[in-house]
Amino acid sequence: AQSVTQLGSHVSVSEGALVLLRCNYSSSVPPYLFWYVQYPNQGLQLLLKYTSAATLVKGINGFEAEFKKSETSFHLTKPSAHMSDAAEYFCAVSLSGGYQKVTFGIGTKLQVIP
Amino acid sequence: GAGVSQSPRYKVAKRGQDVALRCDPISGHVSLFWYQQALGQGPEFLTYFQNEAQLDKSGLPSDRFFAERPEGSVSTLKIQRTQQEDSAVYLCASSLVGWGTGELFFGEGSRLTVL
Repeated sequence: AQSVTQLGSHVSVSEGALVLLRCNYSSSVPPYLFWYVQYPNQGLQLLLKYTSAATLVKGINGFEAEFKKSETSFHLTKPSAHMSDAAEYFCAVSLSGGYQKVTFGIGTKLQVIP
Repeated sequence: GAGVSQSPRYKVAKRGQDVALRCDPISGHVSLFWYQQALGQGPEFLTYFQNEAQLDKSGLPSDRFFAERPEGSVSTLKIQRTQQEDSAVYLCASSLVGWGTGELFFGEGSRLTVL
């Protein structure tokens, strides 16, 4: 079985400040890891994914995440927050190798303060 | 179509009523998933189809929940004798291939409120 834990259901940052959203995973086999974003009244959209290639993954809108096996973490970062980044962010995991579920975390709501 | 389309966007049902939620996946996508998202929670897996075959229904919370995808494209999630705890947003997602890569394309969801 696999799971993810997102630390902090709400995160507030000032415009221009660093964004750091934390995610830790639990998996019995090498995982695939994802970050999805959900803007108000919209569907979830894939930001980036890790599938066992490079450990530093770059996504859309300037976001990136680093897979750290020793820490079982996949934190999402962006150097400078923009007002348009305000949304809910979900970390997710699936198991590599064939047919597996995608399991989502509880989500972190990001507020960007002008 | 260009994206995953779900209908209705909003549904209010009285307790005990049956509801049907529709999902039009992206054309050509083999895999289709239903998730349930309660308020303040992440999406929870309900069921998975590969073409018309329902390969996993382990997340369906009770036998009141039923899903089908008879021709391998449009899917319907049916909830019989709705209860208040069924109130949630029901998300449909499709994927071009199997779900190991997890690259899911989501619809905007159907928000169900059971009174």
